[in-house]
Amino acid sequence: NAGVTQTPKFRVLKTGQSMTLLCAQDMNHEYMYWYRQDPGMGLRLIHYSVGEGTTAKGEVPDGYNVSRLKKQNFLLGLESAAPSQTSVYFCASSYTTGSATYEQYFGPGTRLTVT
Amino acid sequence: AQKVTQAQTEISVVEKEDVTLDCVYETRDTTYYLFWYKQPPSGELVFLIRRNSFDEQNEISGRYSWNFQKSTSSFNFTITASQVVDSAVYFCALSELTQGGSEKLVFGKGTKLTVNP
Repeated sequence: NAGVTQTPKFRVLKTGQSMTLLCAQDMNHEYMYWYRQDPGMGLRLIHYSVGEGTTAKGEVPDGYNVSRLKKQNFLLGLESAAPSQTSVYFCASSYTTGSATYEQYFGPGTRLTVT
Repeated sequence: AQKVTQAQTEISVVEKEDVTLDCVYETRDTTYYLFWYKQPPSGELVFLIRRNSFDEQNEISGRYSWNFQKSTSSFNFTITASQVVDSAVYFCALSELTQGGSEKLVFGKGTKLTVNP
């Protein structure tokens, strides 16, 4: 049981390049999330998904796109990377019953640097 | 909108001291959930506790305890007899229901705790 995994762990991009971050979970969770963490800013939600084939915007969605083609995978794309997207990216997943909020399980993070 | 305030940006203590991390929240929901997470220097996020708004009993887990007070909208976290391994950034979070009925968490900005030997 690997929990939540993220690929890659580190990446350096040049301004304007594109990339996709992959998140996978093996807990059969419905909900998945992408956050970014910047110094002094805590965790900010980029996009999230409440089930296969559905996605929604979070607090800071600009410059990112997501897809959830399979329940266990949640992809975060940067179409044209900017230095402001230098950050640590965390994926998370959670269980739901529809009537309660449960804890989110986090991946190990991806450290992205855009030069 | 939901808001979580962790007013203490950084705290430094000496080993074996007790330390309390403050968390104040704002919500209009009558049912909500509060969480604490730990982020050690290695970077992963570790879930510590979940508490729903109808359960105001304090909780103790080893050296960790949590004090939930709805009257002051606070959910404070105390570490008793702190140890160097407690050094980490601690995040408080609050559930938020979206218009579509799904659930998100709103995180505070975190408190960095340093426990010195």
